[in-house]
Amino acid sequence: ETGVTQSPTHLIKTRGQQVTLRCSSQSGHNTVSWYQQALGQGPQFIFQYYREEENGRGNFPPRFSGLQFPNYSSELNVNALELDDSALYLCASRPGRASGGGNIQYFGAGTRLSVL
Amino acid sequence: DQQVKQNSPSLSVQEGRISILNCDYTNSMFDYFLWYKKYPAEGPTFLISISSIKDKNEDGRFTVFLNKSAKHLSLHIVPSQPGDSAVYFCAASVVYGGATNKLIFGTGTLLAVQP
Repeated sequence: ETGVTQSPTHLIKTRGQQVTLRCSSQSGHNTVSWYQQALGQGPQFIFQYYREEENGRGNFPPRFSGLQFPNYSSELNVNALELDDSALYLCASRPGRASGGGNIQYFGAGTRLSVL
Repeated sequence: DQQVKQNSPSLSVQEGRISILNCDYTNSMFDYFLWYKKYPAEGPTFLISISSIKDKNEDGRFTVFLNKSAKHLSLHIVPSQPGDSAVYFCAASVVYGGATNKLIFGTGTLLAVQP
């Protein structure tokens, strides 16, 4: 069984640029969530996708957007990058949509984004 | 506002002894609480969870206790092993909007188990 994989591992961008991060969910998982982990903080929920639709969003501006594809893989896009966007971006997947079973989410290793 | 708090940034324990990691929360609507372990350069790995209607869950060396009246949970690791050295995150699950569920994380506790 393949776990959650993310690419790229590291990325360096400059302020104002756009970035796309990618995630392949664990086999059989149709729900994908993205989290941002700033240095010294816990992961913060950005949004969740289920069957190719965004079905929940945290306190992040619209320049954070995403996609989910028919094979349940996902992208996180960030436009007009700011210095504060520098963080570890984590993708997590789970089977199903509702909270049954404890909402156990399985995380990838993340993409480390540095904005200069 | 910080709905899930881990007030101890770090903890050092001798191998073989008990490690106790603590977590406090403010929202009574959380339905599950989870503990994740994170090694450097890896993603968080699920460790153990507990439903809000339970007060204890045990899995091998790991036990989670939930005190709803105090809005407090703790993770006990017995006996502690050097391989347990990692950052431990407490997370709470909440359903909102009818179908979306999300995890709200604490800031983590760095556990160092000394040989």
